[in-house]
Amino acid sequence: DIQMTQSPSSLSASVGDRVTITCRASQNLNNYLNWYQQKPGKAPERLIYVTSNLQSGVPSRFRGSGSGTDFTLTISSLQLEDFATYFCQQTYSTPHTFGQGTKLEIK
Amino acid sequence: QVQLVQSGAEVKKPGASVKVSCKASGYVFTSFYIHWVRQAPGQAIEWMGRVNPTDGSTTYSQSFQGRVTMTRDTSTYTFYLDVDNLTSDDTAMYYCTRGGYSFAHPSGVSYDYWGQGTLVTVSS
Repeated sequence: DIQMTQSPSSLSASVGDRVTITCRASQNLNNYLNWYQQKPGKAPERLIYVTSNLQSGVPSRFRGSGSGTDFTLTISSLQLEDFATYFCQQTYSTPHTFGQGTKLEIK
Repeated sequence: QVQLVQSGAEVKKPGASVKVSCKASGYVFTSFYIHWVRQAPGQAIEWMGRVNPTDGSTTYSQSFQGRVTMTRDTSTYTFYLDVDNLTSDDTAMYYCTRGGYSFAHPSGVSYDYWGQGTLVTVSS
């Protein structure tokens, strides 16, 4: 199975901050890396797919990048509605594995 | 609009089985794989497997092989997840989610629509 190591596990930030979340895979993913946002009590929602493609309706302050085994989710200017938990996921091979999640909290 | 509507919460005793349903609407039922994932409190999301709605073929995670069954009913546009021999470790929120065209290579998909989740609690 491909292991996904996501960091940090939690992050405190303020509105307007720029934040970066990283995800490292145990093998090359051929860019098949997705990001999801989850708010308390809700199902995850797709944010970015295949490394850098923004889900329709997602603000342009979200950006995904990376290649090979190392990937990044950047939020350029945090808004109140961005405080949530973020997960990376690889779909290069089954089982599709997820990172442990990053909980983004208000400082 | 695309919707995946799951069945309600379940409470089961250890050793029992549970069946979770996921009713799809708003798209061509046979066009997309459905995956089942679960999320235990404080844990990473765990992929359980997927079903191809065109022929019912399945791929299961080795972690669940022999204990889960994924099926679909094309007459009611509903997917089902059966989990047998439940233990307390199976206490989790279970989600169905749509990911990847059923007629395309299943690599490189992402999950664009999710059910609302079904909480399964296993307790004696």
